[in-house]
Amino acid sequence: AQRVTQPEKLLSVFKGAPVELKCNYSYSGSPELFWYVQYSRQRLQLLLRHISRESIKGFTADLNKGETSFHLKKPFAQEEDSAMYYCALRAKGGSEKLVFGKGTKLTVNP
Amino acid sequence: GAGVSQSPRYKVAKRGQDVALRCDPISGHVSLFWYQQALGQGPEFLTYFQNEAQLDKSGLPSDRFFAERPEGSVSTLKIQRTQQEDSAVYLCASSLSPALSQQFFGPGTRLTVL
Repeated sequence: AQRVTQPEKLLSVFKGAPVELKCNYSYSGSPELFWYVQYSRQRLQLLLRHISRESIKGFTADLNKGETSFHLKKPFAQEEDSAMYYCALRAKGGSEKLVFGKGTKLTVNP
Repeated sequence: GAGVSQSPRYKVAKRGQDVALRCDPISGHVSLFWYQQALGQGPEFLTYFQNEAQLDKSGLPSDRFFAERPEGSVSTLKIQRTQQEDSAVYLCASSLSPALSQQFFGPGTRLTVL
């Protein structure tokens, strides 16, 4: 079975502080991992995916297969980063469905 | 360009009523997905189409839920005899091709069952 765990429901940091949103997954096969973001009153959108190995809006995430983690990091948080963040997993070669975590609400205070 | 659209955006139903939710994917997108998002939860997979073929319906919670995509474009999610536990946001997503492709999400339909 595939499972994604985001242990923090709420995360609050000050502007300019580093931020890390945790994501752990459970899957016996080869996964694809994603971070989706939902800003206030907007639709869910892709932030980044592990196969791209890119930085979007200053965010990065590294897939650690040993620890089965895909934590999202940004060295200096901005107020506009305040949003809901969802980690998601897709099984390679299997159904195309995404399995989401419950999400973390990030608030960046001025 | 136009993204994924869903209608209605909000639906209030009395318990026992049937509802139909519509999804218009991005033109040319082969894959279409339905997810259910309860309050305070992440989206949960319901069903998946590749063109008009429903390839995975393992997430549909009961036989009251039915989805179709007869011409491989617009999709409808139908819920019969709605129950209070069906109250949720129903999200539709589409992607250009099955493999290694980003899913684009619609704004969702918020269903409230009284």
